[in-house]
Amino acid sequence: EAQLVESGGGLVKPGGSLRLSCAASGFTFSTYTMNWVRQAPGKGLEWVSSISSRSNFKYYADSVKGRFTISRDNAQNSLYLQMNSLRADDTAVYFCARERQWSFPVAFDIWGQGTMVTVSS
Amino acid sequence: QSALTQPPSVSGSPGQSVTISCTGTSSDVGSYNRVSWYQQPPGTAPKLMIYEVSNRPSGVPDRFSGSKSGNTASLTISGLQAEDEADYYCSSYTTSSTLVFGGGTKLTVL
Repeated sequence: EAQLVESGGGLVKPGGSLRLSCAASGFTFSTYTMNWVRQAPGKGLEWVSSISSRSNFKYYADSVKGRFTISRDNAQNSLYLQMNSLRADDTAVYFCARERQWSFPVAFDIWGQGTMVTVSS
Repeated sequence: QSALTQPPSVSGSPGQSVTISCTGTSSDVGSYNRVSWYQQPPGTAPKLMIYEVSNRPSGVPDRFSGSKSGNTASLTISGLQAEDEADYYCSSYTTSSTLVFGGGTKLTVL
């Protein structure tokens, strides 16, 4: 069964950094585009970033461009999100999600359970 | 990257049909047949219900259907059941190679 498990969330001060990880199992991770999506408390979904299967294409939402970096290690079946210069409005549950078919973000068929990031002094 | 526009809430009685709209622009919904719909019960991760406007992943009941006209996509749920009560989100690929979600619609089964 395909599964994604996020980790690395926590409490961080404004201006700080955090690195999220997502461990994949049950499918051939190296052949899928992967994504990060976040959801602020009580709010809707917001797409954050995508990375193609061989890391040759990376896409970011304007709200995180220049502060967040997406990466992956296909040998370790892992996806990462390095978050720098964190702000209060980055507070959210961060989900990793698998893109169903394309090399860019279209439809996410497998989701993790999410990891909470809280940015507060 | 403005969010797609969805009604905040819709409701219906068991057995009835409801339709949730999702309005974008010519830079997203209107440009591609790459609209998806997700169901998210409280406290859970989203679940893909419709992809590429009208396709259902394996295991999604055929009570769920999708369509699109111009810059507006729609999700219709027929034969409403209590288990359908959840938040629903649309999303669309954009001409900027990004993805935008709708603001979400809370479905209440009366």
